[in-house]
Amino acid sequence: SQQGEEDPQALSIQEGENATMNCSYKTSINNLQWYRQNSGRGLVHLILIRSNEREKHSGRLRVTLDTSKKSSSLLITASRAADTASYFCATDPNTDKLIFGTGTRLQVFP
Amino acid sequence: AAGVIQSPRHLIKEKRETATLKCYPIPRHDTVYWYQQGPGQDPQFLISFYEKMQSDKGSIPDRFSAQQFSDYHSELNMSSLELGDSALYFCASSPQATSGGDEQFFGPGTRLTVL
Repeated sequence: SQQGEEDPQALSIQEGENATMNCSYKTSINNLQWYRQNSGRGLVHLILIRSNEREKHSGRLRVTLDTSKKSSSLLITASRAADTASYFCATDPNTDKLIFGTGTRLQVFP
Repeated sequence: AAGVIQSPRHLIKEKRETATLKCYPIPRHDTVYWYQQGPGQDPQFLISFYEKMQSDKGSIPDRFSAQQFSDYHSELNMSSLELGDSALYFCASSPQATSGGDEQFFGPGTRLTVL
């Protein structure tokens, strides 16, 4: 069964607005990672948050992790048209493989 | 900085043919992972290798096999190709098995189209 599920499945916003994507997972994890993928292209690693961390920042990205709720959120502040992409969360559930969520398709309109 | 290299980038095959995808990990990375991403789908883990030994296995069909060589590069061999095998195949590497949480570095992917 799917380890990670993300919502919303699709999100459309205007440039300058903030975008929030959520990810839920089912089993205990070592870490949770967020990836970005432009249409049909490669996966770009954005940020990794470990199970003992609650919040992490990287540039315009802010990730939170709530292990009690088995959920994470990715916030992109001051979005740009170039942020248009699919965003996936991926968990490392105490194994050496990543389990990806279903992804959120973000569209940022100029 | 060196990244994960995959070849070929694009591959077109007929049904029932075979295909070999290659992955060259980042130098000094000894762990390699293969993922399959179907159209509009999320990436699915196929198989991984650590120090040339298979370390984990996911939803990989019996028609597929893979190995990691002494120079740590890996090959994914796919036989009796089916239309449903058309997908993006990603390779990722990390400096060690990621239990405990290391980042996986992804290659650009090989787009396989089966006609």
